[in-house]
Amino acid sequence: NFMLTQPHSVSESPGKTVTISCTRSSGSIASNFVQWYQQRPGSSPTTMIYLHNQRPSGVPDRFSGSIDSSSNSASLTVSGLKTEDEADYYCQSYDSTNVVFGGGTKLTVL
Amino acid sequence: EVQLVESGGGLVQPGGSLRLSCAASRFTFSNYAMSWVRQAPGKGLEWVSIISGDGSGTQYVDSVKGRFTISRDNSKNTVDLQMHSLRAEDTAVYYCAKGVDSVYPRSRVVDSWGQGTLVTVSS
Repeated sequence: NFMLTQPHSVSESPGKTVTISCTRSSGSIASNFVQWYQQRPGSSPTTMIYLHNQRPSGVPDRFSGSIDSSSNSASLTVSGLKTEDEADYYCQSYDSTNVVFGGGTKLTVL
Repeated sequence: EVQLVESGGGLVQPGGSLRLSCAASRFTFSNYAMSWVRQAPGKGLEWVSIISGDGSGTQYVDSVKGRFTISRDNSKNTVDLQMHSLRAEDTAVYYCAKGVDSVYPRSRVVDSWGQGTLVTVSS
């Protein structure tokens, strides 16, 4: 089984841009789609990015996803930060026998 | 908009059983795989189980194999998780989640989540 490693926390000011990384421990990051989920306190998760870089309808284009094969990692970038973006963010991927979540990153907008 | 409503959570003693159910609506249920994902108090997300759109394929995380069973009824648009031999470490909010396709690999891509149901295993 592989693991997905995320930073425990990141913080940035309103209006700025922040990037959250997600590194896959084994196997190619490009071989299976990566998703990103947002979870605000007391709420269920919502899907922000799926299939590496696709946004579900209703998700603002301030959110974008990408992968980097050289570092075997995926990234979630949030631009024009708003206080409402403050939440936990989880990356997720899979192989033929498992679905794996990263440990989550707490984004603080201050 | 997709709607997923979980039910069946509650307090159960160690070694006990519980059956969770998820009622789905506003999409063609049989066309999509469904998963259960749990979150222990103060912890991250953990995938538990998945079932294909037609119900023919199921998978489980190692920690629940032999104790949990996922099933679906495409005539009623429901997916269930039968849980036996419950342990304290199964305490969590259990979320029902919809995949973007019926089978692998896109079955493992989630686009919609329910509100969750809390399972507490304690004496």
